[in-house]
Formats: sequence, C-alpha cells, structure tokens
Amino acid sequence: GAVVSQHPSWVICKSGTSVKIECRSLDFQATTMFWYRQFPKQSLMLMATSNEGSKATYEQGVEKDKFLINHASLTLSTLTVTSAHPEDSSFYICSAKKTGFETEAFFGQGTRLTVV
Amino acid sequence: GQNIDQPTEMTATEGAIVQINCTYQTSGFNGLFWYQQHAGEAPTFLSYNVLDGLEEKGRFSSFLSRSKGYSYLLLKELQMKDSASYLCAVKDSNYQLIWGAGTKLIIKP
Repeated sequence: GAVVSQHPSWVICKSGTSVKIECRSLDFQATTMFWYRQFPKQSLMLMATSNEGSKATYEQGVEKDKFLINHASLTLSTLTVTSAHPEDSSFYICSAKKTGFETEAFFGQGTRLTVV
Repeated sequence: GQNIDQPTEMTATEGAIVQINCTYQTSGFNGLFWYQQHAGEAPTFLSYNVLDGLEEKGRFSSFLSRSKGYSYLLLKELQMKDSASYLCAVKDSNYQLIWGAGTKLIIKP
C-alpha cells in the first residue's frame, strides 16, 4: 500500500500564532512531498515541493518565511504556518511521491486550518 | 500559459451515465490523472492515462486523446456516493501536476 498520514485533521488557532502540520508516509519512503492549499470551491494550489534533505522549492507568490517547510527524513515533512492570520484559513493537503518512477500521487487526509 | 478546463458543475440521475470532459493546454505532457474529492476530504486517485485510448476500471473509465488535448471521465451506474468533485490534472514537461478547478457532480435520485 501507500498510506500518507497528515496531522492534525483540523486546527483552530489564534491570529499571530504558529501552527505545524505533519505529513508522514507510513509504508513507503517519499523523496518528494508536495504541499497544497485549497480554498472553498477551488482547486488545489501547489505551494511548495519538498525534497528530503534539501530546501523546499516554493511556487511563485508563496512566502517561504511564512510557510516553513522541513523534510528531515524520507517519511516526514512538516509545514509550519508562522504568524497565522485569518486569510491563512484554508484546507492544506500534502501528497507524497515514492522513490523511483511513480505516476500516482498519494494524498494525506488534509488539515482544515481556521485562524480566529 | 498552462490551462486545464473542465465544467464547473454537472447533474445526473442515480443509475445513469455521466461523462466529465477535460481539455488541457500544457507545456509538455507526461500523463493525465483523474481524482475524486468529497467535500472536506483529500483527493483520491481514480485513473491515469498516458497513451491515447480508453482505460476501464469498474464503473469508471477514462479516455485520452493527446492530439486533441482532451480527456473524459465516464461514470456508469451512478450511485449517490458518487456525488463529489472530480479533478483533472496533467503532469507537464517538468513532471509537475497542473490541476483543473474540478467538476462538482450532483447525483439526484
């Protein structure tokens, strides 16, 4: 199988605080993980591509200092939303890619972030 | 620029057949994916096409024409649980997934 676990499933935080979201590949090694953000009734927007042991590659318009991504091992990537604001409220989803040639992206269950 | 078009919303009747179209214009092509996404959940993989033709998997089939930049997802024997958004995504020359906005499918009894 290929299971990706994302934690937490939902989180409510106060404006100005930081929130960390974890993405784990449970039964395979993921050299590459992707972080997406999805606003209501919109499609997935790629935020950054995370490679194990190296710095993440951020998409245009995504603030790297605000959305900190760490991919310290082949099974774990984290996204930290720093100094969160209400406009950061969204559905954050990670996906993982197996090593070698792999066509399918395996998604975590997503994290609903609400900043109040 | 890169663009993927699919209808915003479709309605169909339980037990019927529905076809969801997707047209794309991308820099390169390394495969087309269809994902199903229920509200509040992450997408789940449905199909992958890299060669022209029809891929059948149970009640779901996906078709690809690379020359036309066109794909469709065919859902047969519709069930109420098929009510969801269906996302078309293309892997471009950089092997990056480009996502369509999704088609919300509403199934009526």
